[in-house]
Amino acid sequence: EVQLLESGGGLVQPGGSLRLSCAASGFTFSSYAMSWVRQAPGKGLEWVSAISGSGGSTYYADSVKGRFTISRDNSKNTLYLQMNSLRAEDTAVYYCAKGRGATKPYTAGVDYWGQGTLVTVSS
Amino acid sequence: QAVVTQEPSLTVSPGGTVTLTCGSSTGAVTSGHYPYWFQQKPGQAPRTLIYDTSNKHSWTPARFSGSLLGGKAALTLSGAQPEDEAEYYCLLSYSGRGVFGGGTKLTVL
Repeated sequence: EVQLLESGGGLVQPGGSLRLSCAASGFTFSSYAMSWVRQAPGKGLEWVSAISGSGGSTYYADSVKGRFTISRDNSKNTLYLQMNSLRAEDTAVYYCAKGRGATKPYTAGVDYWGQGTLVTVSS
Repeated sequence: QAVVTQEPSLTVSPGGTVTLTCGSSTGAVTSGHYPYWFQQKPGQAPRTLIYDTSNKHSWTPARFSGSLLGGKAALTLSGAQPEDEAEYYCLLSYSGRGVFGGGTKLTVL
């Protein structure tokens, strides 16, 4: 059974940093692209970032490029999202998501979702 | 970055049929956009219903189907049930990056 468990969310001040983690199980982690999707309170889904199965290719939404960094540790079956220079508009539930294959175009899509972790950016 | 458009809201009668659509600001949606459809109910994480235009997951009810229709991706619900009331999102792929539509709130009434 595929399981994705996010952690690391919380309250952070504007301009601050936070690192999210996603522990994956139930599948061969290195064989699949992984991504982060967020949802601001009362709003729709926003695709944030994705990484190929090997970690060699990364993709970002324009809204986070240069501020967020996605990475993975295939030896630990864990996905990360380093978020710097956080803004109030980054406040959202962040979902970890599994792709259907290792590389593009599977970096864009999602077949399994985690339950999400809430990030609040506020002073 | 491309903009993906969906109907903000639709209503369907129980047992009825409704089609939700997903358009792209860059032109016609094709199979090369690998369209996905997701269902989200209040307080829950989304779940994937359709991938690659028309493929279903094992958990996708048979009454849902995906297609390309008039230059858009489409999700058709045939025989709507009360439990189908939810928000529906599409996702299109653009060279490895994804873009979600704004979502369609489907009411079964």
